[in-house]
Order: sequence, then structure tokens, then C-alpha cells
Amino acid sequence: DTEVTQTPKHLVMGMTNKKSLKCEQHMGHRAMYWYKQKAKKPPELMFVYSYEKLSINESVPSRFSPECPNSSLLNLHLHALQPEDSALYLCASSQEGLRDTPTGELFFGEGSRLTVL
Amino acid sequence: DAKTTQPPSMDCAEGRAANLPCNHSTISGNEYVYWYRQIHSQGPQYIIHGLKNNETNEMASLIITEDRKSSTLILPHATLRDTAVYYCIVRVRPRSSNTGKLIFGQGTTLQVKP
Repeated sequence: DTEVTQTPKHLVMGMTNKKSLKCEQHMGHRAMYWYKQKAKKPPELMFVYSYEKLSINESVPSRFSPECPNSSLLNLHLHALQPEDSALYLCASSQEGLRDTPTGELFFGEGSRLTVL
Repeated sequence: DAKTTQPPSMDCAEGRAANLPCNHSTISGNEYVYWYRQIHSQGPQYIIHGLKNNETNEMASLIITEDRKSSTLILPHATLRDTAVYYCIVRVRPRSSNTGKLIFGQGTTLQVKP
């Protein structure tokens, strides 16, 4: 199994809603990532978890809250979002994690397309 | 952080080799060069990566100059399905963490034409 699975594929939410994006991998990978991608722009790194601990937060607003319940799962909790947060949210994983040589590839999911009304 | 510079767009005839250049003049000695591509509405797909030596796999070849300041991705026989945005990335190891960040640049939109 070499897949990163993201759910839901599409999500529409209002600015007062609370929702979550989910990401799952069963490759035994030690690092998991959230990226945000606006239309016609490259993916922007948001968070990195390494060995289930938050390793990098790229100054993301607190209305985005990541969670890593175990080594296979990564969630992104959404609350009080703004219309400008509408984007494709990509999850990725890599075999290596903290203190490991970063030579491996990142496996990306197909993304969750979020629309905030 | 090392940054990359790529042409915004390129065309290639189907069946011909596609050569995609990338400049990374500020790359450090322990930073790897990665190439990913993203086909419309899909997640990025890993192609190849390298440190110093040229690399080849079933998808492509990566040629890195001796001074490591630039590289070229070669798709030997481009097909219409290779039409995508190609990202050249220098994998950064931040000071506060040993986890290497993968920071995407603007990429090159490759259009393969019949």
C-alpha cells in the first residue's frame, strides 16, 4: 500500500462551522505534512509532524489546528475560517522523520478541496 | 533557504526529449535537489532526486552540474500525459528541526504537443 488517503475530497463550510480534514497512510512513515495550495500557485507548507510530534508550524493562523493521533493518521481541524482560506489542502508523508537523513520522497494524497462561504 | 529558479513555461513535441532547467545557485553541500510534478487537480508526484551525481530512474534522468548550482530534468520521450507543472525543489534542513522541509518554487508548466 503506497497511498496517502485524504477525506473528504470536497468540503463546503460556513465561516462559523467547525470541520476536520483527515489523512491516513499505512506505509509506516514517520513524518506527515499539511500543505495548502491556492489556484495556479505552488503548494505552501503549513505543518510537519515527525514521530507524531509537531516539528514545524509555518506561522499558520490558529484557526487551523493540526492533530496527529497516531503514526498513521493526521487531522486538520478547521474553525472560524475565512473565504480566503478556500484552497486545496494536501497531505503528504515520508519514511524518514526527525534526526533521519532526508533522502526519501514525499508521498502526496489527492487533496481535499475546501470552499469557505 | 536555498531557492530555485525555473522558466515559467515550456513546450515539447510528443516523442521528443523534454529538458527542464533549474537554477539553485545558493544550494548548500548537504541539500538535495528534488523534482516533482503535478498534473491538473492531482497531488504532486515524486519524480527523482539527487545530491551530486547524475541519477536515472524509470521516469526521468537528473543531471546536476559539478558546482551543483543548476540541474536539468530530462524526460527522454515525452508523451501527452507528461503535460504538468514540474517543480524543482531544494530540500531544506531547518536549524530547529532535523526534518527536511520541502519548499515548492513556482515551477515550470510543460505542455507536450502532438
